[in-house]
Amino acid sequence: DTAVSQTPKYLVTQMGNDKSIKCEQNLGHDTMYWYKQDSKKFLKIMFSYNNKELIINETVPNRFSPKSPDKAHLNLHINSLELGDSAVYFCASSQGSGETDTQYFGPGTRLTVL
Amino acid sequence: GQNIDQPTEMTATEGAIVQINCTYQTSGFNGLFWYQQHAGEAPTFLSYNVLDGLEEKGRFSSFLSRSKGYSYLLLKELQMKDSASYLCAPMDSNYQLIWGAGTKLIIKP
Repeated sequence: DTAVSQTPKYLVTQMGNDKSIKCEQNLGHDTMYWYKQDSKKFLKIMFSYNNKELIINETVPNRFSPKSPDKAHLNLHINSLELGDSAVYFCASSQGSGETDTQYFGPGTRLTVL
Repeated sequence: GQNIDQPTEMTATEGAIVQINCTYQTSGFNGLFWYQQHAGEAPTFLSYNVLDGLEEKGRFSSFLSRSKGYSYLLLKELQMKDSASYLCAPMDSNYQLIWGAGTKLIIKP
């Protein structure tokens, strides 16, 4: 029973392509997140989303867009991929406040743009 | 601005004790999390502190001093499987986690 799952695990594509990464959580959480982890291992929040509000990190290019068909899914769509988009992308989810805001991470998607 | 400071890398011996320090500056504070991340894997939750003091969970303990903007993670009876990166992540007033680059812990036999 995987709590937070992502597909694909690896994604190799050419510059200029459009791609999507899917994320699903079966924890019943209300909030989901997308993070980018670059080669220096910093985890950078890209988006947080619940059924009320989308919070966008202002440094994220508008080529990146989250899409949530329902509260268990938050997909990441990327247009016109660039070399600098190569990174590991993690989806996470959480519920509540305080310790219950613990974020549970998916296994990550390693994106390589050639 | 918001800032996290942790050592980049630490080395310790199997069976020993190691303390990983973290200092932080955030806009507001709603607690601090420690996560463990093995190479090529996702971060996993270790601990959460919101009040000053020490929280113990088996071999791992986490300490917080809000007035000093300081936390540490204490790992006892180190095992080889503890080789990983340890991420300190305070939560700001908007309930956003602020992540540092983490501390890579290397355990030697």
